Amino acid sequence: GENVEQHPSTLSVQEGDSAVIKCTYSDSASNYFPWYKQELGKRPQLIIDIRSNVGEKKDQRIAVTLNKTAKHFSLHITETQPEDSAVYFCAASWTGNQFYFGTGTSLTVIP
Amino acid sequence: DAGITQSPRHKVTETGTPVTLRCHQTENHRYMYWYRQDPGHGLRLIHYSYGVKDTDKGEVSDGYSVSRSKTEDFLLTLESATSSQTSVYFCAISERTSGSNEQYFGPGTRLTVT
Repeated sequence: GENVEQHPSTLSVQEGDSAVIKCTYSDSASNYFPWYKQELGKRPQLIIDIRSNVGEKKDQRIAVTLNKTAKHFSLHITETQPEDSAVYFCAASWTGNQFYFGTGTSLTVIP
Repeated sequence: DAGITQSPRHKVTETGTPVTLRCHQTENHRYMYWYRQDPGHGLRLIHYSYGVKDTDKGEVSDGYSVSRSKTEDFLLTLESATSSQTSVYFCAISERTSGSNEQYFGPGTRLTVT
């Protein structure tokens, strides 16, 4: 099955700086790549996603890039704010039936 | 949040007892999923359903069974709970269309097996 690796596992940035989280996947058939944000004690929430026919997608301060050849995708958060502090998960799916998740990145934004 | 509820939200049970967790949705989505979340492992798929009475195994299905007799309900059963099944369990739903297969999560159930 698919294997998704996520780095780094923890990330600390100063408020206003950018944060980048990277994921790699193994199955070249994967074609849908969502990112989730999970605050402490809460459910994961979808924040952005990208499909394999697109190289980049942006939504305000959040962007995701996809490199199909290298089988990796990244989450970029610009102008970070303390409320961006959370655990972020990447995932990969090729059928929409099964989603394979990375192990998460704990982001801390220091005021 | 999408209309997904889970019950119970917290449960403590003893090793060897059966446990059933319930996921209920009001979105009429076709796909439903059960995940477990453990530190260092992220979210791992236990079972999923692609329609009423249609289910399949995920990557960590041993020790778990599921049933879906109605579109809105997806049950997860631990036939004989073990301490290794102490975890937070999340239900999720999705409706795969030509433009989307976004997945939405329920609030979670914290299960402790003593």
